[in-house]
Amino acid sequence: SQQGEEDPQALSIQEGENATMNCSYKTSINNLQWYRQNSGRGLVHLILIRSNEREKHSGRLRVTLDTSKKSSSLLITASRAADTASYFCADAGGTSYGKLTFGQGTILTVHP
Amino acid sequence: NAGVTQTPKFQVLKTGQSMTLQCAQDMNHEYMSWYRQDPGMGLRLIHYSVGAGITDQGEVPNGYNVSRSTTEDFPLRLLSAAPSQTSVYFCASSFGGFNSPLHFGNGTRLTVT
Repeated sequence: SQQGEEDPQALSIQEGENATMNCSYKTSINNLQWYRQNSGRGLVHLILIRSNEREKHSGRLRVTLDTSKKSSSLLITASRAADTASYFCADAGGTSYGKLTFGQGTILTVHP
Repeated sequence: NAGVTQTPKFQVLKTGQSMTLQCAQDMNHEYMSWYRQDPGMGLRLIHYSVGAGITDQGEVPNGYNVSRSTTEDFPLRLLSAAPSQTSVYFCASSFGGFNSPLHFGNGTRLTVT
């Protein structure tokens, strides 16, 4: 399987700071998606970037994709305590849609 | 809309017992899937379905069965529970297609003793 890897595994910052999480994947992809998981809850889709896109914005989220390096990054600007959660990247590769391969996640803690 | 509903929220089984985890969605999504989440392992795909009557195996299908008789429901059956199946199970659905994001339920936490 093309399990992605995320870096760092854990990130602790103060409110107002920016948080950057990185993701690497192993083979060609159709798109790369980022999800957030609050403790004890299901994952919530944040943003999707297609393989022919290099950067995408959604509110305080900025995602970049470098297909030559097989990597992506998620930037959360002006972090809030409510952003405390685990963040997962997932790549949609292969020929069967929906078969996302998830990374192990980054645990983000934002201190008020 | 309720979205994706999973029941039960918690379950404790003894080794060898069987049970069914229920998943229902009210968004008329064609695609449904089951993942398990274990510490340090991310989410791993167990089984998935691209429409009623069609199912296929994911990365870790052994010990699990699925069926898809309706668009709304996608139950996951544990045939003979083992401690290695202790995990949190998530059901997800989407409209289908590569660029459709997944909608997740809130999970079932299963402990097998």
